[in-house]
Amino acid sequence: KNEVEQSPQNLTAQEGEFITINCSYSVGISALHWLQQHPGGGIVSLFMLSSGKKKHGRLIATINIQEKHSSLHITASHPRDSAVYICAVTYQNYGGSQGNLIFGKGTKLSVKP
Amino acid sequence: EADIYQTPRYLVIGTGKKITLECSQTMGHDKMYWYQQDPGMELHLIHYSYGVNSTEKGDLSSESTVSRIRTEHFPLTLESARPSHTSQYLCASSDPGNQETQYFGPGTRLLVL
Repeated sequence: KNEVEQSPQNLTAQEGEFITINCSYSVGISALHWLQQHPGGGIVSLFMLSSGKKKHGRLIATINIQEKHSSLHITASHPRDSAVYICAVTYQNYGGSQGNLIFGKGTKLSVKP
Repeated sequence: EADIYQTPRYLVIGTGKKITLECSQTMGHDKMYWYQQDPGMELHLIHYSYGVNSTEKGDLSSESTVSRIRTEHFPLTLESARPSHTSQYLCASSDPGNQETQYFGPGTRLLVL
């Protein structure tokens, strides 16, 4: 079992739909990250969360530390949102590897016009 | 936008050749990382560095080696490329002032024939 699990693996939506991607983790963390990877391979950091909720434009990320769960929401989805969305965690007290990320497998989102 | 660069972006090379993948960042970050990502799969950490003259192996065993002679430069070398090394290689650096948020380069797609 991976320490970071994402669902769904693949998601197809119509333009304008509200989208939710989920991430669960099984270890103590100091932070959770949501990343976006475009088809060309480049990765962009969207959010880093240690508690609560963050919003940037049409993107909202939430985290529930007690339940070890985070969600990424996209409101009014658009074809340009098509990408792979990756959840990653920074272990708490990871010794010499502090700051290193453990990644989920990603959720491939395709938004149709 | 992150100032982290990788060259080459694409490389097709024959078995047995020595290759060096270049990674440079102009943000003055001490910590840098190399990840390997096979198509449709999650990123795996293969090397990281805390700063000049520091190199550490990551979670995924790799036949590659790295060096860190200058803060801004973190090259990865394969002494003798094999088809099993075919993959995408992503370089990143992290910002301690922003809770170790990672900034990724565009990646190098390597194909070993």
